[in-house]
Amino acid sequence: NAGVTQTPKFQVLKTGQSMTLQCAQDMNHEYMSWYRQDPGMGLRLIHYSVGAGITDQGEVPNGYNVSRSTTEDFPLRLLSAAPSQTSVYFCASSAKRNTEAFFGQGTRLTVV
Amino acid sequence: KQEVTQIPAALSVPEGENLVLNCSFTDSAIYNLQWFRQDPGKGLTSLLLIQSSQREQTSGRLNASLDKSSGRSTLYIAASQPGDSATYLCAAIFSSGSARQLTFGSGTQLTVLP
Repeated sequence: NAGVTQTPKFQVLKTGQSMTLQCAQDMNHEYMSWYRQDPGMGLRLIHYSVGAGITDQGEVPNGYNVSRSTTEDFPLRLLSAAPSQTSVYFCASSAKRNTEAFFGQGTRLTVV
Repeated sequence: KQEVTQIPAALSVPEGENLVLNCSFTDSAIYNLQWFRQDPGKGLTSLLLIQSSQREQTSGRLNASLDKSSGRSTLYIAASQPGDSATYLCAAIFSSGSARQLTFGSGTQLTVLP
């Protein structure tokens, strides 16, 4: 009964470092997406995918890359971390565009 | 720009009170609207999903309504309990948006006092 699993839960990076936030779902959902949550800004869409091999940009895509080689996995890559990327990152999935969305527990990232 | 707004940002009520949380959206052309609960330091838990063709959904002590013409949704919590204390977020998928993914409000932080 895993649902959406995100790793790691916490991460501290130095400016300029790169890393990958992992997201996996076991519900065979087509749609997956990444959001960041910042105080006073709410949750904002970074990138999303409507199926394996298909990705697109959301509201705040700069500095992030994604790929979707399998239905289950949707990793988010930070190319060169900046302090402005300090945030809580959430991965979500849904069976279809207009069905219930399920979220992971989040990754709290600090860039120093 | 398509936006979702939640007012007030914070609400405090005594235990046992019935309460209503508000959510408004700028574009009536939506696929659906979803309510979530978020506990401090935790992820989002889905509470209720209302499709555009529906007027309301119920789950236990929770009832969510949708009025597309006025651009409003409400989440009604009956007989509130201290365990209901959390931040409640609403999110809409707009039909005309390019991404057609969830657009979130900033949330209402609810405190239920024992």
